[in-house]
Amino acid sequence: AQSVTQPDIHITVSEGASLELRCNYSYGATPYLFWYVQSPGQGLQLLLKYFSGDTLVQGIKGFEAEFKRSQSSFNLRKPSVHWSDAAEYFCAVPTGGFKTIFGAGTRLFVKA
Amino acid sequence: DVKVTQSSRYLVKRTGEKVFLECVQDMDHENMFWYRQDPGLGLRLIYFSYDVKMKEKGDIPEGYSVSREKKERFSLILESASTNQTSMYLCASREGRTRLGEQFFGPGTRLTVL
Repeated sequence: AQSVTQPDIHITVSEGASLELRCNYSYGATPYLFWYVQSPGQGLQLLLKYFSGDTLVQGIKGFEAEFKRSQSSFNLRKPSVHWSDAAEYFCAVPTGGFKTIFGAGTRLFVKA
Repeated sequence: DVKVTQSSRYLVKRTGEKVFLECVQDMDHENMFWYRQDPGLGLRLIYFSYDVKMKEKGDIPEGYSVSREKKERFSLILESASTNQTSMYLCASREGRTRLGEQFFGPGTRLTVL
């Protein structure tokens, strides 16, 4: 069955430190992959997406993600976290039907 | 600036009440979605609409119905609210050209059923 797993329910990093949020997927074909961010009190906003081609994709707010087919992963990274990055992050796979499968989310806390 | 708006940010209702959650998008999108968001469960699809008056059940449609009479508006209806429907409800839209495109989300309605 198709699934998206985000192993970390929450992560705490210091401001200025690097960040990596993990995402693993289970999908029969080469997937399309998204990362969304949900700031407190807001809806979800697309950070970046992978469709094909370069496995390293750049997104908004300084985020990037790398697609690794051999590991079935699409981890999100940022070299230096800012306090405003505190939010919940969702990895997602559109299925080609009308459904998109979302991971359970990882909540990021940023400490000063 | 594209926008999906939801009629209420916070709503408190009593058990057994009929509840309407409204969603409006200004992007002329064909596809609209209603999700429920609960801690640790991510987003679960309640209903999807791919065109006016068209709808498909999602993963958790029980206890909910929807209405789409106009392209820009998608309503979620709780016929008889129950306490286990206390949750955050998110509406989203997507253009219909591709089923693999980005969804645009509203800010959410936090519903409490007492």
